[in-house]
Amino acid sequence: DGGITQSPKYLFRKEGQNVTLSCEQNLNHDAMYWYRQDPGQGLRLIYYSQIVNDFQKGDIAEGYSVSREKKESFPLTVTSAQKNPTAFYLCASSTQQGFGSPLHFGNGTRLTVT
Amino acid sequence: AQTVTQSQPEMSVQEAETVTLSCTYDTSENNYYLFWYKQPPSRQMILVIRQEAYKQQNATENRFSVNFQKAAKSFSLKISDSQLGDTAMYFCAFNSGENSGYSTLTFGKGTMLLVSP
Repeated sequence: DGGITQSPKYLFRKEGQNVTLSCEQNLNHDAMYWYRQDPGQGLRLIYYSQIVNDFQKGDIAEGYSVSREKKESFPLTVTSAQKNPTAFYLCASSTQQGFGSPLHFGNGTRLTVT
Repeated sequence: AQTVTQSQPEMSVQEAETVTLSCTYDTSENNYYLFWYKQPPSRQMILVIRQEAYKQQNATENRFSVNFQKAAKSFSLKISDSQLGDTAMYFCAFNSGENSGYSTLTFGKGTMLLVSP
């Protein structure tokens, strides 16, 4: 079955370390997204990409970086510059129709930085 | 910038009853999409329903229906015959990427719905 795989489910890091969250999809979707979820805050957009080697900043991109070397993969790096990295991170994808296309989500990665 | 407001942080309902979750949004655009997503304790985000602003007819998916009031910028979700499995966080979301072609959704802060026996 097609879907989005995020790994690992739980991730622990020490403050000051960069960490990369994996997101792979086999839905043949062109667009991919990263959202951050904090308690009581809903979901906030970090980065998104519609094609390989191209991506745009979302509302809260500071302290994060991404790459899109393959259509299926959109890893997110949480850098040491991110002030409050502990959160639940969700990766999503949508078809090329883009506007109005529903997002399909992965199961998320819970990142804890101490 | 678009904003989405869910004014009910928590709601509860008994099994088999009907419940309505509220959502309002703010936009100056004329064409857009609205969504309701459900996030159960597993934290998997699941699409519940989608509504296009140009369609006057309210969207319906089995026990889930919406009341879309474009002039009032209101988009409420009605769940009929509530089931225990409906217990989840419900997010209202807005997509106005008409010019960009992206589905960059703006989410509300969510309403936690608890269905009790």
